[in-house]
Amino acid sequence: EVQVVESGGGLVQPGGSLRLSCAASGFTFSNSAMTWVRQAPGEGLEWVASIERDGNKQYYVDSVKGRFTISRDNARNSLFLQMNSLTAEDTAVYYCAKVTGGPIDPWGQGTLVIVSS
Amino acid sequence: DIQLTQSPSFLSASVGDRVTITCRASQGISSSLAWYQQKPGKAPKLLIYGASTLRSGVPSRFSGSGSGTEFTLAISSLQPEDFATYYCQQYKSYPISFGQGTRLEIK
Repeated sequence: EVQVVESGGGLVQPGGSLRLSCAASGFTFSNSAMTWVRQAPGEGLEWVASIERDGNKQYYVDSVKGRFTISRDNARNSLFLQMNSLTAEDTAVYYCAKVTGGPIDPWGQGTLVIVSS
Repeated sequence: DIQLTQSPSFLSASVGDRVTITCRASQGISSSLAWYQQKPGKAPKLLIYGASTLRSGVPSRFSGSGSGTEFTLAISSLQPEDFATYYCQQYKSYPISFGQGTRLEIK
């Protein structure tokens, strides 16, 4: 079964940092681009970042450029999102997902990040 | 950047109804459009990609059409499990973008 499972969410103070992880299984991880999408409470979906299968290219939404870094470890079938200089606007459920030639499928269950003092 | 506008934002319908949701792109995206279903507290699920290709396992009452800038998701005969929020997404170019969502509720 193709599966991705996020971890690392939690409560962090404004200006703080957090690193999200995503463990992939059931598919050849090194052959797939990966992505992070977030959803603020009661809001819609917002794409955050994507990384190509070899890790050589990354793409970010403007609001996180310079603060967030997407990376991957193909040997460990893992995806990461390093989040720095967090603000309340970053509070959301963060989903890890496999990019299947463009569409996003499947999605993990999500991990909640709350930025609050 | 490509903006996606869904309409309507809210839809009330009954079991057995046929409903359609529209997604308009601010510029042409060919057929690089997907539709997702999300239920409360759950992750989104892919329904349709390439504007009209049904993902394996998705019931045939769901269908997608369109290309360029105008796209439609149709549900031919609503079932109780279809009441959810639906999002379109373009993957023609970065930054990837989603529509604002259409909430489908039981009348």
